[in-house]
Amino acid sequence: NAGVTQTPKFRVLKTGQSMTLLCAQDMNHEYMYWYRQDPGMGLRLIHYSVGEGTTAKGEVPDGYNVSRLKKQNFLLGLESAAPSQTSVYFCASSQRVYDSRLYGYTFGSGTRLTVV
Amino acid sequence: DAKTTQPPSMDCAEGRAANLPCNHSTISGNEYVYWYRQIHSQGPQYIIHGLKNNETNEMASLIITEDRKSSTLILPHATLRDTAVYYCIALTPMEYGNKLVFGAGTILRVKS
Repeated sequence: NAGVTQTPKFRVLKTGQSMTLLCAQDMNHEYMYWYRQDPGMGLRLIHYSVGEGTTAKGEVPDGYNVSRLKKQNFLLGLESAAPSQTSVYFCASSQRVYDSRLYGYTFGSGTRLTVV
Repeated sequence: DAKTTQPPSMDCAEGRAANLPCNHSTISGNEYVYWYRQIHSQGPQYIIHGLKNNETNEMASLIITEDRKSSTLILPHATLRDTAVYYCIALTPMEYGNKLVFGAGTILRVKS
């Protein structure tokens, strides 16, 4: 049981290049999330998805696009990378529950992206 | 969701209890308090959560004041591996689209 897997783990991009970060979960979770974390700061939500085919904006969505074509995968795209997007990106997933059991949030190990 | 306030950093001796405070004075009646931690370079990890009553699991205990305006996470016997950033989050579970919002957290340094 792998949990949440992020690929790649590291990447260096040149300004203006594009790339896609992949998040895959094998826990049959309904919800998936993309966060970014800058040095010395907490995680900030970029986009999230409450089910296959649905996505929504989080706190810092500008410059990113997402897709959830399959329940188990959540893709984060950077169309034209900028140095301000240098960060560590974390994907997470959680169950669709109706009570307090949000400990179902499971995070991946992160993707370290540098834009030069 | 209510704003939470935590001290930026704390030190604790190995083997002693680590008590991490969190203020959430504007918390509403149906908001839970969640604690996560992030060990260096890793994704955050769930620790514990509670509403009114004190809670305990294999990792920690959560003490919530009677007026629910503050809480304390207790690691009973801190080890060097507990060195991490600890996040306190107030959140109301919803049917759709719950989103954990992380603040700066508390850096806990466990020292030998």
